[in-house]
Amino acid sequence: DTAVSQTPKYLVTQMGNDKSIKCEQNLGHDTMYWYKQDSKKFLKIMFSYNNKELIINETVPNRFSPKSPDKAHLNLHINSLELGDSAVYFCASSQFHRGFDGYTFGSGTRLTVV
Amino acid sequence: GNSVTQMEGPVTLSEEAFLTINCTYTATGYPSLFWYVQYPGEGLQLLLKATKADDKGSNKGFEATYRKETTSFHLEKGSVQVSDSAVYFCALSEEGGSEKLVFGKGTKLTVNP
Repeated sequence: DTAVSQTPKYLVTQMGNDKSIKCEQNLGHDTMYWYKQDSKKFLKIMFSYNNKELIINETVPNRFSPKSPDKAHLNLHINSLELGDSAVYFCASSQFHRGFDGYTFGSGTRLTVV
Repeated sequence: GNSVTQMEGPVTLSEEAFLTINCTYTATGYPSLFWYVQYPGEGLQLLLKATKADDKGSNKGFEATYRKETTSFHLEKGSVQVSDSAVYFCALSEEGGSEKLVFGKGTKLTVNP
């Protein structure tokens, strides 16, 4: 199936730990994103990569570090997790070709920090 | 900066009722406009889009018309079903080829049988 896939789907961890979320897309898109959705469903962009190059870096703590080994993968590493990091993190991808058709989203990673 | 304002939810309707979810935007230039839907426990799915003024996007019985004069992109459906229960997000993409989407805060719709 062509899709954006994220792992893990659920992640429960203690404060202070370091964790990673992985994202892969097989759509041939050249741009990938990380969005954070808070408990009120508000979506905020964190990062965007185009062909492995960082192009959007919103105001996000330095504890969050994205890594794109190739244009089909965008991982998110979080150091020293805090309670406020609990949220659903969505990966997405897009391709700008004769216009922008919007994103294809992954199904999300629900991170709970205890 | 660019922004999207959606009507506050939650919205509760009976099956076969008419649905309107209001969306207005603030943007420089001519953004593309989108509606996404998020079913419980899932990621967002593109519902429909419009790329220029007076375009009408439609899908699965939902419609929205890009109104530049009122900077609006209201979502409508003539007869909702229980399966339409979800959170609906209005979004815009910034003009000039930028692929950043700015989302509204979402409107939760519950349709009762």
